[in-house]
Amino acid sequence: DTGVSQDPRHKITKRGQNVTFRCDPISEHNRLYWYRQTLGQGPEFLTYFQNEAQLEKSRLLSDRFSAERPKGSFSTLEIQRTEQGDSAMYLCASSPRMIGDTGELFFGEGSRLTVL
Amino acid sequence: SQQGEEDPQALSIQEGENATMNCSYKTSINNLQWYRQNSGRGLVHLILIRSNEREKHSGRLRVTLDTSKKSSSLLITASRAADTASYFCATDPAGGTSYGKLTFGQGTILTVHP
Repeated sequence: DTGVSQDPRHKITKRGQNVTFRCDPISEHNRLYWYRQTLGQGPEFLTYFQNEAQLEKSRLLSDRFSAERPKGSFSTLEIQRTEQGDSAMYLCASSPRMIGDTGELFFGEGSRLTVL
Repeated sequence: SQQGEEDPQALSIQEGENATMNCSYKTSINNLQWYRQNSGRGLVHLILIRSNEREKHSGRLRVTLDTSKKSSSLLITASRAADTASYFCATDPAGGTSYGKLTFGQGTILTVHP
């Protein structure tokens, strides 16, 4: 399977704990995105990487959130001191950067976080 | 924040009927995309229409774009039970520095009854 892979698919944690999600993009894709989706809403942009550089962060990404893409391949999204409001689906997407790139995103299946 | 407003929020039809979903947005765009999401799963790209295009077809899908009204519609013809899903429009803003950073609408939940 050469699609975007996310792990874990489901995570249940207690308030105050730290959680980390991993995303493996499509191998030839330079751009990687994290989105958050709450129940009944569309996804909201969190952050984006081009290779290993984090080029943009949303205001939604508080200082409890950190994302990395250390070697320009897989990425991790860590949430520290989780709060119940962090409960959501965290979606990773990737896209190629090339001439003629039209901005289509390829999404993973998501990591669902439930904070008790 | 969500840029798009989608209408209707939910749509229930019989198999074989056509389904039309509408999307309005607020700012100038490079392109507008439609995605599908089955319950609890990731999003799947359906079709992209550029700001200089007015209509595009892909299989049973037809998308229109009216940049003067800042609106788009997605038509699914001859619907099937397997088309049951949530459908989202997403805009790629013009002049942005993060090419591919999309703003999604709230979605239309489509239910197709066999």
